Amino acid sequence: GQQLNQSPQSMFIQEGEDVSMNCTSSSIFNTWLWYKQEPGEGPVLLIALYKAGELTSNGRLTAQFGITRKDSFLNISASIPSDVGIYFCAGQLYAGNQFYFGTGTSLTVIP
Amino acid sequence: GAGVSQSPRYKVAKRGQDVALRCDPISGHVSLFWYQQALGQGPEFLTYFQNEAQLDKSGLPSDRFFAERPEGSVSTLKIQRTQQEDSAVYLCASSARGSQPQHFGDGTRLSIL
Repeated sequence: GQQLNQSPQSMFIQEGEDVSMNCTSSSIFNTWLWYKQEPGEGPVLLIALYKAGELTSNGRLTAQFGITRKDSFLNISASIPSDVGIYFCAGQLYAGNQFYFGTGTSLTVIP
Repeated sequence: GAGVSQSPRYKVAKRGQDVALRCDPISGHVSLFWYQQALGQGPEFLTYFQNEAQLDKSGLPSDRFFAERPEGSVSTLKIQRTQQEDSAVYLCASSARGSQPQHFGDGTRLSIL
C-alpha cells in the first residue's frame, strides 16, 4: 500500500505557540484530508483539500495541498489545551479509491 | 443520530470465537469504509462499499474477515476464528460519494484473549 510519512512524530508546545506539521508521499494524490483523533474516539475531519496549491482555513487551522501533489501541510495558530490529540493526514489517489492514512503527529499543549 | 454509529463499543472474545461488528452510516451516504487501527498507528483500509456492492476488499487481512452491506445502509464486519493479532480498533466511515471526505464512527475496540 501507499506510505504517507508525517512529521514530526510528536510535539510538545506551550499554549499560545503556533504548530506546523506535514505529510509526504511518494505518490501523487488527488485529495488530501486532515483529521484529529482523541483517545477513545474516531478521527474527526478538520480540513479537505482538492486542488494543488489550495490553501484552506478552518478557524485557527490552515492546511495546504502541496504543488507537487505529493505533500500537504497543517498549521495551527495560537494553540490551546483542547488542541491536544493525534493529527492524521489522509490521501486519495483518485475518486472512489480508498484513503491512505499517515502515521500521525501527536500534539501535547502545555498550559 | 446524525453521525456514524458503531456497536458494540468494546468487544472481548476468546481466541477462536467469531465476532460481528456493526456500523450504521450517516443516512443517505452511499459509500462505506471499514478500517483497522492498531495501537499508535493510523487507520488501515480493510474494505469499501458503494451502496450494497463491495467494490474493494483488498485490505482484508485473511479469508477469516468478511463484510456485508445487504441493503446498502447498515454494514457488518465479521471475523471468524479470531486470533490475538485481530485485537485492534475497527473503524467505520461513510461519505456521500467515494470522492467525498469520510466521516468516522468512534470504533469498536476488539480484544482477543
